[in-house]
Amino acid sequence: DAKTTQPNSMESNEEEPVHLPCNHSTISGTDYIHWYRQLPSQGPEYVIHGLTSNVNNRMASLAIAEDRKSSTLILHRATLRDAAVYYCIHYAGNNRKLIWGLGTSLAVNP
Amino acid sequence: NAGVTQTPKFQVLKTGQSMTLQCAQDMNHEYMSWYRQDPGMGLRLIHYSVGAGITDQGEVPNGYNVSRSTTEDFPLRLLSAAPSQTSVYFCASSRSDRAPGELFFGEGSRLTVL
Repeated sequence: DAKTTQPNSMESNEEEPVHLPCNHSTISGTDYIHWYRQLPSQGPEYVIHGLTSNVNNRMASLAIAEDRKSSTLILHRATLRDAAVYYCIHYAGNNRKLIWGLGTSLAVNP
Repeated sequence: NAGVTQTPKFQVLKTGQSMTLQCAQDMNHEYMSWYRQDPGMGLRLIHYSVGAGITDQGEVPNGYNVSRSTTEDFPLRLLSAAPSQTSVYFCASSRSDRAPGELFFGEGSRLTVL
């Protein structure tokens, strides 16, 4: 099963960038990396995903290491609404069983 | 847009009772799944389906049954509830399990078994 490793918690100040790291050393060449976040008392929501090259969308950027064994989710300007648990998921196209870790709990200070 | 709808949002059961958690999606998604989330455990996959008439087990299937008679609906049945099934349950769907598609989650169903 795909395994990822993330710090338990991180803290940031409002309007500052946040870099959330994830290690996925068991990743294979066809596995996509997904990030989700979960706000309190809500279901997880999709943030971004990628395979090899860096990806950007309106929510965040995803930087993927050249060896693909790690990635970093970048929130360019943290807001109080970004306080959530962020999950990095190692997702294979033929693996229907997504394995979720405990994620990183991000606190954003005003 | 409704997306993924779960009912009920809250339920209290006694040990041994049965119930069904409902999940419906209006996005014509092939893939649907059920997760449970417990403190300190993260999300764990219970069952999933890749299309109508097709279901398979996830990490923690014991004590739960599923069926997929239509594309839209994927109910989760607890035949004889146990206190260990006290949890928050999430239903999720995506366009296809063979593409790295975005998973859409419902708002969750909080179940307490006494």
